[in-house]
Amino acid sequence: EIVLTQSPGTLSLSPGERATLSCRASQSISSTSLAWYQQKPGQPPRLLIYVASNRATGIPDRFSGSGSGTDFTLTISRLEPEDFAMYYCQHYGRSSYTFGQGTKVEIK
Amino acid sequence: EVQLVESGGGVVQPGGSLRLSCVGSGFDFDDFNMNWVRQAPGKGLEWVSLISWDGGGTHYADSVKGRFTISRDNSKNSLYLQMNSLRAEDTAFYYCTKDIAWGDAFDIWGQGTVVTVS
Repeated sequence: EIVLTQSPGTLSLSPGERATLSCRASQSISSTSLAWYQQKPGQPPRLLIYVASNRATGIPDRFSGSGSGTDFTLTISRLEPEDFAMYYCQHYGRSSYTFGQGTKVEIK
Repeated sequence: EVQLVESGGGVVQPGGSLRLSCVGSGFDFDDFNMNWVRQAPGKGLEWVSLISWDGGGTHYADSVKGRFTISRDNSKNSLYLQMNSLRAEDTAFYYCTKDIAWGDAFDIWGQGTVVTVS
């Protein structure tokens, strides 16, 4: 079973700063199976990135995804007030999905 | 508007059963695989189950295998989750999700329905 480990657990930044979130897989995975989600309190998650680097419909271009093998990154180029939230990475393999434990991006 | 609406949550005693429903609209329901994902209070996301577009394939997380059954009725644009032998650790928000057309991800989520086992 592949385990996804996200780091850091919490990222404290100011609006306008760059956020770099990491998702590391316990073994090499296909980029086609890696996605990122944003979740705000009281709301369901929202798909940001799929196939490691493709932005979902309506997602601003300040969000970008990259990586391959075991190391994947979600980058928010300039944080807007609405970007402070929880972020999860997700992998699909062997007919099941796995989520990372999440990174909280909070206002410094 | 593309949307998913869940229902059927509630409070149930340990060992009890509950059936969740999810109705999809605004898209061709029978073209897509569907899933259930849950989130315990204050915790992260846990995938629960997946069903193929035609209902011919189903898969489950180890934590629910043998207790939960996923099904769908494409004539009613509906997805279901029959939950038996419920445990306290099944307490969570349960979300219905739609697979994206290409790639492995969920592009549409319902608002969720809460299940409390107590």
